[in-house]
Amino acid sequence: QKEVEQNSGPLSVPEGAIASLNCTYSDRGSQSFFWYRQYSGKSPELIMSIYSNGDKEDGRFTAQLNKASQYVSLLIRDSQPSDSATYLCAVSGSARQLTFGSGTQLTVLP
Amino acid sequence: DTGVSQNPRHKITKRGQNVTFRCDPISEHNRLYWYRQTLGQGPEFLTYFQNEAQLEKSRLLSDRFSAERPKGSFSTLEIQRTEQGDSAMYLCASSLGVGASGGAYNEQFFGPGTRLTVL
Repeated sequence: QKEVEQNSGPLSVPEGAIASLNCTYSDRGSQSFFWYRQYSGKSPELIMSIYSNGDKEDGRFTAQLNKASQYVSLLIRDSQPSDSATYLCAVSGSARQLTFGSGTQLTVLP
Repeated sequence: DTGVSQNPRHKITKRGQNVTFRCDPISEHNRLYWYRQTLGQGPEFLTYFQNEAQLEKSRLLSDRFSAERPKGSFSTLEIQRTEQGDSAMYLCASSLGVGASGGAYNEQFFGPGTRLTVL
C-alpha cells in the first residue's frame, strides 16, 4: 500500500464549478498536511497547509482534514482554466521530509 | 528574488560522468531538502539538512549520491558515475525549521529544479 494515495485522474470540471481533490495516507502519526500545485514542466508550489482536524479556507481554496479517517481533501471553488495543473498531496510526521502522492491532474474546461 | 534558486536548470551528460547541482535556499531558512521527481510521480525525498548537519541520508538512492551543505547556506548534490535511470528532475526545498511556531516550520518551498538527462 502506498503511503499517500490520490485519485490519479484526470479530473475535468467546467469553468466556475467546484473541483474536489482527495488524498488518503497510511501513517497515523502524520502531523502536517500540504497541497501543492504543479504546472507542467514547473516545480511544485505550496498552496495550502493544514495541521488540525476541520476546514481551512484561503480564498477559493478549502483544505479539509480528518485524522480519524486519515483523509485530506482540497476544494477549489469557482474553478478557472488557470487552475488546470497537477495537484500533489504531501504529508509529514515526526520525520521532517514530505511524502507525496502521485498527484491528480485537473483540467478546467472553459 | 528571495525564493529558492537552483543551478543549473538543465544538465545533459553522458553515462558514467559525474554531475553536481547547487541549491541556494531562502536566506532565513534553516532546513534544506533534496527530492527527485520522475514523470508522472510525486517528488521522492532524498536527504535533508538542518543548518550544516545532514540529519537524514538513508533515502539517498545509492552510494553514488551524496550531498553537502558545508556552511549551512547553499547545498550541493553530486551524482557519480551517472546512469540513464538517474534522468529526472532534482528539486531542492527549504523551510524555516527550528524557531518557527506551529506547523509553519515545516512548510517547504521548492526551487525551480534541475532537469538531468543522462544519455
